[in-house]
Amino acid sequence: KQEVTQIPAALSVPEGENLVLNCSFTDSAIYNLQWFRQDPGKGLTSLLLIQSSQREQTSGRLNASLDKSSGRSTLYIAASQPGDSATYLCAVKGGANNLFFGTGTRLTVIP
Amino acid sequence: GAVVSQHPSWVICKSGTSVKIECRSLDFQATTMFWYRQFPKQSLMLMATSNEGSKATYEQGVEKDKFLINHASLTLSTLTVTSAHPEDSSFYICSAFGLAGGNEQFFGPGTRLTVL
Repeated sequence: KQEVTQIPAALSVPEGENLVLNCSFTDSAIYNLQWFRQDPGKGLTSLLLIQSSQREQTSGRLNASLDKSSGRSTLYIAASQPGDSATYLCAVKGGANNLFFGTGTRLTVIP
Repeated sequence: GAVVSQHPSWVICKSGTSVKIECRSLDFQATTMFWYRQFPKQSLMLMATSNEGSKATYEQGVEKDKFLINHASLTLSTLTVTSAHPEDSSFYICSAFGLAGGNEQFFGPGTRLTVL
């Protein structure tokens, strides 16, 4: 069964700093990988979707990479802002169309 | 992206009662809907997968008689928590997948269930 792990579990950075969140998965046979943001008590906001054939996707200050063969993805956030504070989840899509979620990284950006 | 709604956004009920949560895809036809549960400070755990017009497929450890799922149309799925207990208190999130949405699932805003 697919297992998705995110490191670190929590991260605090000063405003303006660039940061990297890591996601690893055990089964490289995936259709896509998605990064989400979740604010406390709220649902999921999709940030970036990387198809299995792609290496990276960018949206504004966010850049996500995918190395399917090694089972890794990173989410790079440039020039972090206090509004970026949230929990970031990565999820990989398997053959049955269901998503396997990682454990999440709680990010705090300190003003 | 496509929009998925959930209703209610939060509900408080007494132990032993049943609660129904609705999940709707507003601007696309969802051939498959997924129900997830999230406990505080934990990640999402898939409970069941439902395809329109057929019985839901439940994940191991999820009681199908307790969590009744109906996917009667291409835009609506319901999750009914029967005889709710305090340990059922959780955040329930649905997502929808449709052929027109590429390979992406679209998530609802979630329903906070509190069982007293």
